[in-house]
Amino acid sequence: EDKVVQSPLSLVVHEGDTVTLNCSYEVTNFRSLLWYKQEKKAPTFLFMLTSSGIEKKSGRLSSILDKKELFSILNITATQTGDSAVYLCAVFQGAQKLVFGQGTRLTINP
Amino acid sequence: NAGVTQTPKFRVLKTGQSMTLLCAQDMNHEYMYWYRQDPGMGLRLIHYSVGEGTTAKGEVPDGYNVSRLKKQNFLLGLESAAPSQTSVYFCASSLGLAGGEKAKNIQYFGAGTRLSVL
Repeated sequence: EDKVVQSPLSLVVHEGDTVTLNCSYEVTNFRSLLWYKQEKKAPTFLFMLTSSGIEKKSGRLSSILDKKELFSILNITATQTGDSAVYLCAVFQGAQKLVFGQGTRLTINP
Repeated sequence: NAGVTQTPKFRVLKTGQSMTLLCAQDMNHEYMYWYRQDPGMGLRLIHYSVGEGTTAKGEVPDGYNVSRLKKQNFLLGLESAAPSQTSVYFCASSLGLAGGEKAKNIQYFGAGTRLSVL
């Protein structure tokens, strides 16, 4: 059975801290791994990773994929209160479907 | 840019009632999806469609039906609502094959419909 597991499930840090969110997966016919940010409503796309070892970066956020060990990490440096959200990891597998993890709820305290 | 629009935003049903959730996208996307999101369980795929007139079952299809009569619309129906269907429902769409291998993987989401079944 295809599975995507995120850790931790919940994380509370202070503004300015650096956080690392984890995503491990076991899926058949892996195509790509995606990260989404979900605030109040719709998940919004952050990154798509298809190749191992190539870091994707956008401002203070970065992500990398390890296809040998079957995991990805999402790093956020110099966190701000606006980074508070649920971060979702999803894996796109051959049957045109995304399999989602449970999400990590990140809270940034001022 | 409307993107993906879901209606209604909120709904309360009694057990046994029926309803239809509407998803509309204006991005000419080929693929469309319906998910439900429950606490601690992430997003689970209910049904999806890879083109007008086609539908397929996802991970949790029981108790739901879908139709894709027009490319821009994807309807999710509950024939006889049950309390277990209380959830937040999200619609998403993606380019599909026309967007190339990478672009088709990125799904864009609507704002969600919060449904309570009493």
